[in-house]
Amino acid sequence: GAGVSQSPRYKVTKRGQDVALRCDPISGHVSLYWYRQALGQGPEFLTYFNYEAQQDKSGLPNDRFSAERPEGSISTLTIQRTEQRDSAMYRCASSLRLAGINEQFFGPGTRLTVL
Amino acid sequence: AQSVSQHNHHVILSEAASLELGCNYSYGGTVNLFWYVQYPGQHLQLLLKYFSGDPLVKGIKGFEAEFIKSKFSFNLRKPSVQWSDTAEYFCAVNMRFGAGTRLTVKP
Repeated sequence: GAGVSQSPRYKVTKRGQDVALRCDPISGHVSLYWYRQALGQGPEFLTYFNYEAQQDKSGLPNDRFSAERPEGSISTLTIQRTEQRDSAMYRCASSLRLAGINEQFFGPGTRLTVL
Repeated sequence: AQSVSQHNHHVILSEAASLELGCNYSYGGTVNLFWYVQYPGQHLQLLLKYFSGDPLVKGIKGFEAEFIKSKFSFNLRKPSVQWSDTAEYFCAVNMRFGAGTRLTVKP
């Protein structure tokens, strides 16, 4: 069956531009997570949703980062006024049941490069 | 503060050697523990998980891990590694991940 998909797979943008990263979770999965992963590091938690409700956004680095999941399925992570330090792999994951206690299924990630 | 520590950044072993990767955590609430693996060019995928019950859990590909509550540890083990185990291994506590350990197995 289809796994978690993310688009675009690669995004190159200029400093100061806004970017929107999309995540399409596995159908029927209740929870959706966003992570950022720098080279040589583990995934860094950003935020997660149960259905359409954002439960924890404590990992978002600053107010340039926001996420939404309006219909409880597809989610968008938006970074406004991008900076070079935002360059990283952005990973999305979903889980069948409520967050925290379930296996997460990861997507392929979006590699963001800010010039 | 919540944290997950993986002690080894890069481990190099020969085939058939035994493996143990350390994971310690600092967490105030209920812990659900995971080990994920990322093979070169692939997604993160689950190796094994612990929620409750028997603290020795077995996962895929011959991996196992032991939860020692008193030590706040969840170390990953495999008795005999193969070249195909070359990958990056991540310990996770709930939604927090460690920095990862890169395992290289020499044929």
